[in-house]
Amino acid sequence: GQQLNQSPQSMFIQEGEDVSMNCTSSSIFNTWLWYKQDPGEGPVLLIALYKAGELTSNGRLTAQFGITRKDSFLNISASIPSDVGIYFCAGKGAQKLVFGQGTRLTINP
Amino acid sequence: SQTIHQWPATLVQPVGSPLSLECTVEGTSNPNLYWYRQAAGRGLQLLFYSVGIGQISSEVPQNLSASRPQDRQFILSSKKLLLSDSGFYLCAWMGGRGREYTEAFFGQGTRLTVV
Repeated sequence: GQQLNQSPQSMFIQEGEDVSMNCTSSSIFNTWLWYKQDPGEGPVLLIALYKAGELTSNGRLTAQFGITRKDSFLNISASIPSDVGIYFCAGKGAQKLVFGQGTRLTINP
Repeated sequence: SQTIHQWPATLVQPVGSPLSLECTVEGTSNPNLYWYRQAAGRGLQLLFYSVGIGQISSEVPQNLSASRPQDRQFILSSKKLLLSDSGFYLCAWMGGRGREYTEAFFGQGTRLTVV
């Protein structure tokens, strides 16, 4: 099945550092979504992006919908311990929602 | 408000046994519904999606099937489980901005172990 290319696969950072991750696709998407998943739970929506070039913030999180509609990035500023988890990008076409492979974020106190 | 229920939370089944996972959505009508599978430490693989009652699209050939007998009910089934069917199964519905269907919300997941 179709998947997005998400990088990096994992990150090990110090508390307080900023984080950046991105997704690219060979297909154009109408919507980009970013999710966070805690162990044993379903993913929870963080940010939704609807227009090419759109830049949206949710607290310490900022995400952008690429101009080409084939990419998106997520930044987390001043990381804290509860930011630990797996972050997924997702692109929506007509009906399907496809996901990246995830970025596992680990924070050292 | 909308909620999504998925059960059971965990399941241990022997190889060759049947499977039925159920997902229901409340507080919305005519949602798009999705089944994903997540292998340990991996991303979400889209298995099936449905845009209406009785309408099922399959993304990958596999040992599983899906059905949507009612508007807000989505069922994942297998007649005979394989070891490779083990994984974390997630149901999702898509809504947001009225009928535009742009944001997907997930259930809590079912961890299936085939032994």
